[in-house]
Amino acid sequence: DAKTTQPTSMDCAEGRAANLPCNHSTISGNEYVYWYRQIHSQGPQYIIHGLKNNETNEMASLIITEDRKSSTLILPHATLRDTAVYYCIVRVGNDMRFGAGTRLTVKP
Amino acid sequence: GAVVSQHPSRVICKSGTSVKIECRSLDFQATTMFWYRQFPKQSLMLMATSNEGSKATYEQGVEKDKFLINHASLTLSTLTVTSAHPEDSSFYICGGGQGISYNEQFFGPGTRLTVL
Repeated sequence: DAKTTQPTSMDCAEGRAANLPCNHSTISGNEYVYWYRQIHSQGPQYIIHGLKNNETNEMASLIITEDRKSSTLILPHATLRDTAVYYCIVRVGNDMRFGAGTRLTVKP
Repeated sequence: GAVVSQHPSRVICKSGTSVKIECRSLDFQATTMFWYRQFPKQSLMLMATSNEGSKATYEQGVEKDKFLINHASLTLSTLTVTSAHPEDSSFYICGGGQGISYNEQFFGPGTRLTVL
């Protein structure tokens, strides 16, 4: 399985961009990178996913390095409601396996 | 995104009883459904995967006779915790994907089980 490594926690000022890194150095060529987040005591919420190209949607941007060994999730203007645990997942087949994630705290 | 519901959201039961948790995909057909368990301050742990009409595939270390999973339709999967014990107290979350090679997996809000 491709595993991911994320910082345990990060802080971000409200209104600023939050950049969450993820290392996935053993990723295979056909494996996608997914990002989910989990606000306390709720189910995970899908954010974005990508294979090679950078992706953007209404929630975030995903920047994947050319060698695909790492990626960065960008929340362009973080709000207090973005405080959550963010999970970077490399999907293997149909399985979505969660690592420890990064606890992002957005501060006023 | 698509909506997945779970019922009940919270349940308290006595040790030795069985508890059934329902997971429904409300606006899509979930060909594949997943069940996770999450203990306090830990990440989600995949318990089992099921395809509609097929037996579930359980992760190593998850007792299939204790955690009964039924995925009888494209919109409903159930997890029954049989003879529950206090160590089964956890947050149970289901997820579903549409199609065999789905792009997104959507999750329910979770069910908090407390076994006394």
